[in-house]
Amino acid sequence: EAGVTQSPTHLIKTRGQQATLRCSPISGHTSVYWYQQALGLGLQFLLWYDEGEERNRGNFPPRFSGRQFPNYSSELNVNALELEDSALYLCASSLDSFSYNEQFFGPGTRLTVL
Amino acid sequence: GIQVEQSPPDLILQEGANSTLRCNFSDSVNNLQWFHQNPWGQLINLFYIPSGTKQNGRLSATTVATERYSLLYISSSQTTDSGVYFCAVRTGNQFYFGTGTSLTVIP
Repeated sequence: EAGVTQSPTHLIKTRGQQATLRCSPISGHTSVYWYQQALGLGLQFLLWYDEGEERNRGNFPPRFSGRQFPNYSSELNVNALELEDSALYLCASSLDSFSYNEQFFGPGTRLTVL
Repeated sequence: GIQVEQSPPDLILQEGANSTLRCNFSDSVNNLQWFHQNPWGQLINLFYIPSGTKQNGRLSATTVATERYSLLYISSSQTTDSGVYFCAVRTGNQFYFGTGTSLTVIP
């Protein structure tokens, strides 16, 4: 069974540009989560999608947005990139959105903003 | 929000030694997971353990939800155990990762 996949592996952008990151969940999983791991800040929850709807978001500005498609894949968009957006972005999926649900992570996209 | 603290922050072990990693959380949680992050950044699932005790080979974990902590035990450590260990919790619709324990196992 294929795990969570993410693309691209690496992404280099300049300040002010937009970045789009993609995630495909494990087959059968309907919930997708996005996390940011920036140097010195640990892993922080960004966004949660389930059944095509945004269920919750972490403490990030509105220029971080995304969507979930009918096939449950998801994309994360970061507008007006800033230098501090440089980080590893991790996507996870779970079977559904119920409280007791295990998350499985993809390999991540490393975004560098110059 | 909830605070999730891990201890120790850094740990250096000789191969073959045992260790205990701790995760404390400041409020009640719906679930708790332990992960191992390898040098390439991939998070590997170790345990899904909202309560109770589980074992998987040389690793075991215990969560005492009423006392708001979880422990990860690594026995007979190997160099491949090196990396950062995270606990992660869910409370309501929010998700929090711990501060991590960086483990180095020396041959």
